[in-house]
Amino acid sequence: GESVGLHLPTLSVQEGDNSIINCAYSNSASDYFIWYKQESGKGPQFIIDIRSNMDKRQGQRVTVLLNKTVKHLSLQIAATQPGDSAVYFCAETPYNNNDMRFGAGTRLTVKP
Amino acid sequence: GAVVSQHPSRVICKSGTSVKIECRSLDFQATTMFWYRQFPKQSLMLMATSNEGSKATYEQGVEKDKFLINHASLTLSTLTVTSAHPEDSSFYICSARDDGGAETQYFGPGTRLLVL
Repeated sequence: GESVGLHLPTLSVQEGDNSIINCAYSNSASDYFIWYKQESGKGPQFIIDIRSNMDKRQGQRVTVLLNKTVKHLSLQIAATQPGDSAVYFCAETPYNNNDMRFGAGTRLTVKP
Repeated sequence: GAVVSQHPSRVICKSGTSVKIECRSLDFQATTMFWYRQFPKQSLMLMATSNEGSKATYEQGVEKDKFLINHASLTLSTLTVTSAHPEDSSFYICSARDDGGAETQYFGPGTRLLVL
């Protein structure tokens, strides 16, 4: 069936470096994509979103890139900080559909 | 804005008892709320979609008589785990979609359930 998945389950980076977390999706009907950050024992926290009519969106220290041709989504974190250590999930939802499907998650560890 | 609360944050109960978890949207109205379950080191699994004023929609494999959902108002949805057993122990997370916003779901802090 349709699914959302991640290339890398873990990612370790040095403090100050840039981080890139990738996500592949298979539902071509997906219209809206979101990145969430989840710290241990807490609920997911919204980071940034992007619609299918865009290929790039920037926030504070974060950028989301969407490549619809290869059904690929990425989250870039600039100047990664120890507080960025968490599990990052991508999620997708088709247009006008309630269902939001989550990827497997990538654990980001930032080394001081 | 867009704050979602859950209560309780942690609960320990005996096998066979029922546990109610509340999910509230604090600063927005939410006709639609969602309940997820998350096992350690795994992703979120959608259990059901809670609709204000109507029956919840359950995902395949989720027992509706086991996980009772009530969405009595635009700011409150409750999940009751009936006759809980140790295998029901998990992290339960709710989310809510702002009626006046986009499709973004805002998540609660989660409820850790431990059934002894």
